[in-house]
This record gives sequence, structure tokens and C-alpha cells, in this order.
Amino acid sequence: NAGVTQTPKFRVLKTGQSMTLLCAQDMNHEYMYWYRQDPGMGLRLIHYSVGEGTTAKGEVPDGYNVSRLKKQNFLLGLESAAPSQTSVYFCASSHTGRSNIQYFGAGTRLSVL
Amino acid sequence: QQPVQSPQAVILREGEDAVINCSSSKALYSVHWYRQKHGEAPVFLMILLKGGEQKGHEKISASFNEKKQQSSLYLTASQLSYSGTYFCGTPDAPWSGGSNYKLTFGKGTLLTVNP
Repeated sequence: NAGVTQTPKFRVLKTGQSMTLLCAQDMNHEYMYWYRQDPGMGLRLIHYSVGEGTTAKGEVPDGYNVSRLKKQNFLLGLESAAPSQTSVYFCASSHTGRSNIQYFGAGTRLSVL
Repeated sequence: QQPVQSPQAVILREGEDAVINCSSSKALYSVHWYRQKHGEAPVFLMILLKGGEQKGHEKISASFNEKKQQSSLYLTASQLSYSGTYFCGTPDAPWSGGSNYKLTFGKGTLLTVNP
């Protein structure tokens, strides 16, 4: 059982380039999330989705776009990368319900030069 | 609004105890605790859903004081494997059939256990 899979694991971009991070989950979860993690800042929510075809902004959405065309996939896009977007990105998913236990992917380490 | 964790970092020797606190300036509806080992993904430890609730997981336990708007994570007789960053996460609203589907996490507490 793979759980939550993120691709790629590492990426280096030049300022202004674009890329898409893919998150796939095989647990039939309704909810999916994208976080970024920077030193001393904890996990900050970028965007999230409560079901196929829905997305919503989190705490730090600027410079990112997302899509959830299929229930199992949640894509995070950077249209024009900036050095401030250098970070580790985590995807997570959870069932509906009060407990909302989140299962995280292994992360994508992104450097923007 | 981000919950506040204290301390920011703690260093222990094997066998020592530690307490990590998580507090909020607004109402706490539930508290989630996660642990992240270096270079890995965060992993769920436990959730406290009611004020006054206490839970345990091996030698790691937690309490939730709804009135004081805080939760504490207790690590007793620490082991090397306990090293990592501990995060608390709280929902933005009380449970009402689907509204608390996102969490706000604290900045984390780095726990280092040395031999």
C-alpha cells in the first residue's frame, strides 16, 4: 500500500521557470492538501481540496495554482518560480470526519536559483 | 492563527522526560500531534477531541485543557527514537459535519535525545 506519493523528490529551477508537483493517494481520501515547510516556520498550508473538482486557498497561496481533476491526484503548479519558493513541499490527504488524520507524502525539495 | 509551541527546542539524555506545550489565543476544538524525523514526512501521533481528554501512545501521552486553550505532550523515559520535530495542529472551527477539514500547525519543537 503506497499511501501518498509525491513526484519529483528533488528539483532545481531557474527563476521564471514553471513546474508541476504531483501528489497521488491510493486511500480513497476526500481531502488533500499542499503544505510548504521552511526552517523555523512549521507547516504552512498553500491550497487544499475537499473533493474532486474543488480547490481552496490556504494560508500562503500566492504564486501557486492547484488542480484536482481526479480524486486520487492533486497537482501543485508554479507558473513563474521565484527564489522565495525554495522550500520543501508536502502533500497530505485525509478522510472526512472529525478526526481528520492527515497522511503525508515524503516531500519534494525544490530549489529556485 | 498559528498555535504557539514551547519550548522551541529541547535536548535530553536517554531516559529523561520532556513536556511540549501547545497553546492558542482562540478556542481549541481539538488538537493533533505529529512527529517528523529528520528528512522524513510528518507522522500522526494522536488526536485529542475533548477538553480534559488524555491519551497515551507507548511512553508518549498528551492532555487537552479546553478552558486554558492548551495541550501538552509528555514524553517519559525518552529513547533515541523519540528525536525529531513535534508539531501540534488545530482546526479553525468546531466539528460540524465537515468544516474542520484543515489544520493550522505550530512552528514545531525540536527534540534531541542523546545517549
